[in-house]
Order: sequence, then structure tokens, then C-alpha cells
Amino acid sequence: NAGVTQTPKFRVLKTGQSMTLLCAQDMNHEYMYWYRQDPGMGLRLIHYSVGEGTTAKGEVPDGYNVSRLKKQNFLLGLESAAPSQTSVYFCASSPLAGGHLETQYFGPGTRLLVL
Amino acid sequence: GQNIDQPTEMTATEGAIVQINCTYQTSGFNGLFWYQQHAGEAPTFLSYNVLDGLEEKGRFSSFLSRSKGYSYLLLKELQMKDSASYLCAVMDSNYQLIWGAGTKLIIKP
Repeated sequence: NAGVTQTPKFRVLKTGQSMTLLCAQDMNHEYMYWYRQDPGMGLRLIHYSVGEGTTAKGEVPDGYNVSRLKKQNFLLGLESAAPSQTSVYFCASSPLAGGHLETQYFGPGTRLLVL
Repeated sequence: GQNIDQPTEMTATEGAIVQINCTYQTSGFNGLFWYQQHAGEAPTFLSYNVLDGLEEKGRFSSFLSRSKGYSYLLLKELQMKDSASYLCAVMDSNYQLIWGAGTKLIIKP
């Protein structure tokens, strides 16, 4: 049982390049989330999903897109990377039972540097 | 706006007790979470409070006062492995977690 996994672990992009971050969970969780974590700031929600085929915007969605084609996978896309998107990205998942009040389980993070 | 405040950094001695405070102002309240995050790692769940009072879980306890918009995390019998950042997060009326910036706890021998 791997829990929540993220690929890649680290990536360097040039401004304007695109990339997709992959999050996978094997706990059969309904809810999945993408956060970014910047120094001196709390985690900020980018997008989230309450089930397969659904997505919703969080606090800071601009510049990002997401897809949840399969229940176990949640993809985060950057169409045209900007230096302001340099951050550590965390994916999290939680079961349905308690809704959003359930504990979130986090992946190990993806460190992204945009030059 | 929504705001979660917690101290940036605290230092404590191995074997001692430390209290990490968190104050919040959010649009609605559906519970308060504490997570632990070791450097370079993912946050992991510590506790959840939705009613006023103290929740105890081994060496860790968490307290909530909704009327004061205040919580604290109490760590007893500190161990070196407790050196980490402690994140306070509040679930708002839209069921989204609003996170504090975290308190970096340094444990000295």
C-alpha cells in the first residue's frame, strides 16, 4: 500500500514550458487535492476533486488545470510555466465518509523550479 | 479576509513541554486541524478539534476555544524527533482548509 505518490519529485522548467504533475493514490479515496507550499506561507489550495470526473477551483487556480479521469489519479497541468509558479506542490487525498472533514493524506511533494 | 496566525519559530529543550499557539479568523468554522511536517517531507495528521476543550493523544494534546478563535498544540516529553514544523489549519464554511504558515520547532539537547 503505497498511499499517495507523486511524480516527478523534482523538475526544472524554463518560462513558457508546459508540464504535468501526476498524483496517484491506492486507498480508494474519493477526494483529491492539489496544494502549493511557499516559504513563509501556508499551504494554498489550487484545485480539488470530489470524485472521478469532477474538479473544482481552490484558492489559487490561475495558471493551472486539472483532470480526474480515473478515481486513483489526479493530474495537475501547467500550460505555460512562470517563475511565480516555482514552489513545492503537494497532492492529498481523503476518503468520502466524513466529507471534507476527513483527514487528508499527503504525497511526498514535487519541487518545481521555473527559470 | 481569512487569517491563521502562529509563531514562526520556537525553541525548546529535550524532555520539556512546549505549547504552540494558533489564532484564527475565518468565514465559518468546521473544525481545526494540526499537522506535523518534517523538513522536506509531507504533512502528516496530528489532531482534529471541532468542540471546545482538550483532546489528548499520547504526548500530544490539542485545545480549542471557538469563542476566542484560539487553539494550541501541547507537546510533552519532547524528543529530538519532534523537531519539525507544526501546521494549524481551519476548515471554513466552504469546507476548504485554510492553513497557517507553520511553526518551526527546534529541539535542543
